[in-house]
Amino acid sequence: DAKTTQPPSMDCAEGRAANLPCNHSTISGNEYVYWYRQIHSQGPQYIIHGLKNNETNEMASLIITEDRKSSTLILPHATLRDTAVYYCIVRGFAGGTSYGKLTFGQGTILTVHP
Amino acid sequence: EAQVTQNPRYLITVTGKKLTVTCSQNMNHEYMSWYRQDPGLGLRQIYYSMNVEVTDKGDVPEGYKVSRKEKRNFPLILESPSPNQTSLYFCASSFGTSGPNIQYFGAGTRLSVL
Repeated sequence: DAKTTQPPSMDCAEGRAANLPCNHSTISGNEYVYWYRQIHSQGPQYIIHGLKNNETNEMASLIITEDRKSSTLILPHATLRDTAVYYCIVRGFAGGTSYGKLTFGQGTILTVHP
Repeated sequence: EAQVTQNPRYLITVTGKKLTVTCSQNMNHEYMSWYRQDPGLGLRQIYYSMNVEVTDKGDVPEGYKVSRKEKRNFPLILESPSPNQTSLYFCASSFGTSGPNIQYFGAGTRLSVL
């Protein structure tokens, strides 16, 4: 699996957009970028995933650079409840015995302040 | 409501006293797994199951057992718990064994072994 690099922490003002970067320079062609978050020791929560096109859902947007070596998760209007650890994970779609294992790095601690 | 349910949420036990942490999902998912989370080490996979009666070791299986007799249930068994198994445990499930790796996590079980 491609290794990801994220800043250890970021701050954001409530109501503003939070832009969380992730570097994955060794990503291969069949690997997707996933984002999960974990709010204060709760179970990790899936946010969004993408391959090469930008993606948007009700929670966030995902922007992937054209060379796919980096991506940005955007929370358009951050709230206090978005304070969490955000994980960027790169995985392929292929099956096999290692399919389900998600490798969570240290992630980015996002703090949203009033 | 689609969910992964773990019980108990909190457990304090003593060394050597067998315990079981239950995990149940109501989404008809094929894939289920157990993770443990420790400070500075992130989430590490303990065991996983790709379908009924199919289980295999993850990265840190020592001291744990699992079973998958029904599709919805995947209990984690500690036959003789030790203090180094004090941790936060998460059960997760996903729809299939290929395709988008969108996993749903339980709320967690905080275990203390004295």
